[in-house]
Amino acid sequence: ELKVEQNPLFLSMQEGKNYTIYCNYSTTSDRLYWYRQDPGKSLESLFVLLSNGAVKQEGRLMASLDTKARLSTLHITAAVHDLSATYFCAVDYTGNQFYFGTGTSLTVIP
Amino acid sequence: EPEVTQTPSHQVTQMGQEVILRCVPISNHLYFYWYRQILGQKVEFLVSFYNNEISEKSEIFDDQFSVERPDGSNFTLKIRSTKLEDSAMYFCASSVDAVGQPQHFGDGTRLSIL
Repeated sequence: ELKVEQNPLFLSMQEGKNYTIYCNYSTTSDRLYWYRQDPGKSLESLFVLLSNGAVKQEGRLMASLDTKARLSTLHITAAVHDLSATYFCAVDYTGNQFYFGTGTSLTVIP
Repeated sequence: EPEVTQTPSHQVTQMGQEVILRCVPISNHLYFYWYRQILGQKVEFLVSFYNNEISEKSEIFDDQFSVERPDGSNFTLKIRSTKLEDSAMYFCASSVDAVGQPQHFGDGTRLSIL
């Protein structure tokens, strides 16, 4: 069974600081997605990473994929309160079957 | 901007009853998905659907579950005989393509089994 693990599970950081969320997965895949979920809300797509070495950036968030290490990172630069949410990575296992990570609950403190 | 719509937003059902959750995907999307999220936990894949048939399904998607696209717009998830452990938020999602395109999620249906 494919396992997708994120760490940390909970992250409390001060505004203006940088931090990285890690997503490790157990089976070969070169398609990885990052989503954001606000409390009680649906999921919003952030990034789609489709190949080894892929890097995408949007605002204060940057995601990367290392398929050989089976690792994706979501880097937060100069965090602001609006980034407080739960972040999920999801691995596309067979081309149309998606396994989500455990989620990282991020709280940005003023 | 087009969006995925789900109805109802909240469904309360007695254990053992059948329930149908409804979704209207974005009109030009071809791939459809159902996920569930038990409160406070991760999102779990249930099933993917393409070209009027199931593409992939998870171990969770057993004989109690079925999906259907009865017309050109709706995509439904049926649970035949609900159990207490079926209580969760159910999300529908759709995408233009299976690879490389983000999935667009609906706001979800909260299913409560009594």
